[in-house]
Amino acid sequence: AQTVTQSQPEMSVQEAETVTLSCTYDTSESDYYLFWYKQPPSRQMILVIRQEAYKQQNATENRFSVNFQKAAKSFSLKISDSQLGDTAMYFCAFMKTHSGTYKYIFGTGTRLKVLA
Amino acid sequence: EAQVTQNPRYLITVTGKKLTVTCSQNMNHEYMSWYRQDPGLGLRQIYYSMNVEVTDKGDVPEGYKVSRKEKRNFPLILESPSPNQTSLYFCASNSLAGAEGTDTQYFGPGTRLTVL
Repeated sequence: AQTVTQSQPEMSVQEAETVTLSCTYDTSESDYYLFWYKQPPSRQMILVIRQEAYKQQNATENRFSVNFQKAAKSFSLKISDSQLGDTAMYFCAFMKTHSGTYKYIFGTGTRLKVLA
Repeated sequence: EAQVTQNPRYLITVTGKKLTVTCSQNMNHEYMSWYRQDPGLGLRQIYYSMNVEVTDKGDVPEGYKVSRKEKRNFPLILESPSPNQTSLYFCASNSLAGAEGTDTQYFGPGTRLTVL
């Protein structure tokens, strides 16, 4: 069974600094998707960035980028130029569909606080 | 506007009183899922559906039922709620039609359920 591990329950960063959130996963699959979601105090789940496992190039979205290490099963999120609005819970997620199944596995989350 | 709607947003009920949380999406998505979010556990998939009349269990299906009679709707049914089902529930939908980005899940706003 797939698992997703976020080993940092809480983190803080100064405004304008860079922070990296860690995520590791375990799977025997070779083709899958990985995601980072942001959950602000409003509780809405917001997609931050996605990565297809077959793509070697790391995904980037403005100030957000990932370091995807397929062999090491690692998928960290880097937030550059941190802003107060980045304060939120961040979830790493794994998704796989095959043979009539559709599995989404989330990590336990990292609570990030951006300090003024 | 593309969206996933859930109702009610907040619900307080008593043990054993059957309830239904509705979920509807307007994006013609094939895939829909229900998740529960609990502190320290992240989001866990309860049930999912890959199309009309096609549903399957996620990781925590005990005590829940679902149906998918129409493509846009995916209600979550608690036949006999218990206090351990007190949680934050999310419905989500996405399409896996193959085009770039269509594997992205869209989440509803969440339903806060309290079972006394």
